[in-house]
Amino acid sequence: EPEVTQTPSHQVTQMGQEVILRCVPISNHLYFYWYRQILGQKVEFLVSFYNNEISEKSEIFDDQFSVERPDGSNFTLKIRSTKLEDSAMYFCASETGFPGDEQFFGPGTRLTVL
Amino acid sequence: AQSVTQLGSHVSVSEGALVLLRCNYSSSVPPYLFWYVQYPNQGLQLLLKYTTGATLVKGINGFEAEFKKSETSFHLTKPSAHMSDAAEYFCAVNKAAGNKLTFGGGTRVLVKP
Repeated sequence: EPEVTQTPSHQVTQMGQEVILRCVPISNHLYFYWYRQILGQKVEFLVSFYNNEISEKSEIFDDQFSVERPDGSNFTLKIRSTKLEDSAMYFCASETGFPGDEQFFGPGTRLTVL
Repeated sequence: AQSVTQLGSHVSVSEGALVLLRCNYSSSVPPYLFWYVQYPNQGLQLLLKYTTGATLVKGINGFEAEFKKSETSFHLTKPSAHMSDAAEYFCAVNKAAGNKLTFGGGTRVLVKP
């Protein structure tokens, strides 16, 4: 069964460093998302991506964040200068966009900023 | 704007007992509603969804949920809990395919033998 994959599973970085989180969505899906879950809190939407551009972003998704689909298969989230408060589990999701379809989630990347 | 409220951040049930997880939503348009489950150290897996049609929906692992528009609710039930049901459950809403999901705070289920 097709699945969304994410790498790495864990990332530890120093405050101020850049990190790139990688996702491979399901191949025939057209819509891509990043969500995050700070420990003990709810899952929050960051950004959605369709047709090679951002379709919606949340207030969290400021200038420190960017997304890219560099090669037609990978979908990346970059944080330019990490802050302590960026420590969270980051989930990638994808969907076909067909009416009634659901989003499929990857296993997540746990980011720890020291 | 849409919002989701899950009543109870933790629920403890005995094995074999009814599982009832409550979800209420707020939406300005007819919602699509979802329940996802997260097992320890894993991603979110879809349990069931309501988009259109029959308001009682059945999902995997014996779970079901009923969309009640008048009550703006989408409560999740399972008649008989199993130890393997211990996980965190998230209710989520969006307005259509291709749109962001808004999640509730999650309910962690503990199953006692």
